[in-house]
Amino acid sequence: DAMVIQNPRYQVTQFGKPVTLSCSQTLNHNVMYWYQQKSSQAPKLLFHYYDKDFNNEADTPDNFQSRRPNTSFCFLDIRSPGLGDAAMYLCATSRDLAGSVEAFFGQGTRLTVV
Amino acid sequence: QQQVKQSPQSLIVQKGGISIINCAYENTAFDYFPWYQQFPGKGPALLIAIRPDVSEKKEGRFTISFNKSAKQFSLHIMDSQPGDSATYFCAASMGGGSEKLVFGKGTKLTVNP
Repeated sequence: DAMVIQNPRYQVTQFGKPVTLSCSQTLNHNVMYWYQQKSSQAPKLLFHYYDKDFNNEADTPDNFQSRRPNTSFCFLDIRSPGLGDAAMYLCATSRDLAGSVEAFFGQGTRLTVV
Repeated sequence: QQQVKQSPQSLIVQKGGISIINCAYENTAFDYFPWYQQFPGKGPALLIAIRPDVSEKKEGRFTISFNKSAKQFSLHIMDSQPGDSATYFCAASMGGGSEKLVFGKGTKLTVNP
């Protein structure tokens, strides 16, 4: 059974048109992450939530925002997508930050910008 | 300092052979080293992980070898199977957890039948 679910699996958006990607989890994990993965590259952390506390990576563009209305859901908002934002976006969760805990990834949303 | 360097970029192995993927790091504060397996169209999934207090960890056909002094670690896949064909990422994190996983660039493994 899927534990980290991302919707949609594929998203096509127009250049400059706001888009929202969603992630839900059934694991009741405290931490939720958003990663960006471009073709043939490693996943790159954009930000994470520890419970309701938001932690942005220093090099994440302001164009990327996130919301976590409750434990189960987390959203990635791209305010004005550019061609360079086309990528696979991965949501992940982990039980906690402390200790060597496993991160569970969703299947990703592949974003195309036209 | 934050990088994890992974090689090779791609690897082709015959069924039954041994696949070896290497990673190196600089930051001695890293203390958790997982390997993730990613199939096309799927998210990464944890395969095996190690902490620097042990030099080797084995789970089935998968073994991590860790050399703390050399700041290197490697994944060995014994008796490689076509179903092992995937992209493998090494990663590292500090602070004892999976916060801010720093990934290597990945190795695309193809196991020929």
